[in-house]
This record gives sequence, C-alpha cells and structure tokens, in this order.
Amino acid sequence: GNSVTQMEGPVTLSEEAFLTINCTYTATGYPSLFWYVQYPGEGLQLLLKATKADDKGSNKGFEATYRKETTSFHLEKGSVQVSDSAVYFCALSQGGSEKLVFGKGTKLTVNP
Amino acid sequence: DAGVIQSPRHEVTEMGQEVTLRCKPISGHNSLFWYRQTMMRGLELLIYFNNNVPIDDSGMPEDRFSAKMPNASFSTLKIQPSEPRDSAVYFCASTSTANQPQHFGDGTRLSIL
Repeated sequence: GNSVTQMEGPVTLSEEAFLTINCTYTATGYPSLFWYVQYPGEGLQLLLKATKADDKGSNKGFEATYRKETTSFHLEKGSVQVSDSAVYFCALSQGGSEKLVFGKGTKLTVNP
Repeated sequence: DAGVIQSPRHEVTEMGQEVTLRCKPISGHNSLFWYRQTMMRGLELLIYFNNNVPIDDSGMPEDRFSAKMPNASFSTLKIQPSEPRDSAVYFCASTSTANQPQHFGDGTRLSIL
C-alpha cells in the first residue's frame, strides 16, 4: 500500500541555519505530495504541494521538489527562523482518493 | 472565508461519560475526515465521509466510537462510554475533491479523567 517515511526527529537548529527534512514515499502511479505544518496548539496547515514529477512547491521560504526517480519530496529552507518551530508532516494522496497518507511528523525547534 | 470549525476546543470529563465532538466543514467541501492525534500513536485517521456517506471507518478504534454526518455542513464524533485512553486531540478536516489538500480545524483537546 501507499506509505510515507519521514526522517526521525526532533531536529534542533540555530536561527539562520539551513533546513532539510527528508521524505520518501511508496506509491503506484503518480501521487500528489504535500507538506503540512502544525504549530503548537493548532491544527495542520498546508505548507506546500506538488502534483506531478519535477514540480517544485514553495511557500514562506520553504521548497520541496517532487522527484519521481528517487520517490522523494524533501523539504528545504535556506535560513530558518525561531517562528518556524513546529511539527512538519509529509503526505500523499493518490488514485482519485480524498484520503491522505501522512508521515509520522518531524518536530523542528529553532533556537535564537 | 470560514475554515473548518470544531467545538468544543477543550473537553474534560470523567470516564464513563458520553462525549460528543462537533465539526462544521468548509462550505462546498464534500469530504470530511476525523483524526486523532496522540504522542504515542501520532496522527490517525478514524473515519471519513464523502457526500455525507461513511466511506472508510477502518480506523475507528472500537464500538464505543461512532460518527455521523446528517448533512453537508455538520458532523459529530461520539464516544460512549469514554475511557482515559481516549484522551487525545481530535481533528476534523475537509476537502473539495480527490488529490486536493485537506483543510484542518483547530482540534478538540479531550481529557478523560
């Protein structure tokens, strides 16, 4: 079945550091891929998405590129801020289904 | 535009009591999802509806849990009787069509004493 694997957290960085959170997936066909962010005490919010191979999703300085050859959708940001501290979830949907398959989430803490 | 609205935001009750969580999806969205989030198990899909019909309830933990969607603008998740291990944050989400993002509510933090 479809699955999403994220790097284990937690991740702790200093402000202005470079961020990478790895995400790989297993799916047949061509899934849509998403990154969600969850700030403390809040629900998940869509951060960015990509719907086909080689698409790059971007938002708030975050980027992720849909790599079909490596079945990956790694999240990157060049310079993190304290306000980026949150839990990040990678997810996929596929096959005309409304369901999303989520990774386990990666907690990011950015220190000043 | 109003997002997904959940109520209550917090619920504290004693074990054995009935708990009802409520959700109003975004207008025009025809799929609705109930999730449970805990530290131990992460984010779990409990059940989802399409056009008010339950499509997949394989994530519902046991018969104590039930969900209904009487119309396109309202859904409930009920736990009866509640147990301490049901303590979690329960999220509702909705989406308009397949392969589109889901929009989440702010969740209900449930504590069963």
